[in-house]
Amino acid sequence: TQLLEQSPQFLSIQEGENLTVYCNSSSVFSSLQWYRQEPGEGPVLLVTVVTGGEVKKLKRLTFQFGDARKDSSLHITAAQTGDTGLYLCAGYTGTASKLTFGTGTRLQVTL
Amino acid sequence: DAGITQSPRHKVTETGTPVTLRCHQTENHRYMYWYRQDPGHGLRLIHYSYGVKDTDKGEVSDGYSVSRSKTEDFLLTLESATSSQTSVYFCAISVTILYEQYFGPGTRLTVT
Repeated sequence: TQLLEQSPQFLSIQEGENLTVYCNSSSVFSSLQWYRQEPGEGPVLLVTVVTGGEVKKLKRLTFQFGDARKDSSLHITAAQTGDTGLYLCAGYTGTASKLTFGTGTRLQVTL
Repeated sequence: DAGITQSPRHKVTETGTPVTLRCHQTENHRYMYWYRQDPGHGLRLIHYSYGVKDTDKGEVSDGYSVSRSKTEDFLLTLESATSSQTSVYFCAISVTILYEQYFGPGTRLTVT
């Protein structure tokens, strides 16, 4: 079973601060996805990264896929209260046809 | 939003009783999945389907069975519910195995 470890598990910051969430594995992933989940709802896809070293930006969110395709990071600039939620990374490996989810990072942004 | 509904949304049942959760999609996507979400474990795959009557096990399939008799419906059955199956269950769909997954709103199941 491939494991995806996310850090930190919990993060509480004030509005306007910057933060980075990490997703690490010992396995190589053919693609990696980031989801955000709000309380009482299912996860919603934010981005998919495929190429090692790839960087994608979604407004104030920057996603990076590691060169070796074993890790990824999510950086949020000037966090807002609307960024509050559970952030999940998930990856496909070449040998498995199933998406493996990380343990999640719960982010709380306060005024 | 992808057309995925789950029913029921909340259920409380007693240990030993059978329970069936339903996932219904209007997107005609080939792949459908059942996950459970528990604190500290993230989302874990229970079973998935790659077509009508074509299903396979995930990493936590013990105690669960599934059926897919129509493209749009994927049923998850707990034959004899146990307290360890108290969880939030999510259904998801995708066009292909490597594409993004769209999730339903979840079913909160409590086994007493």
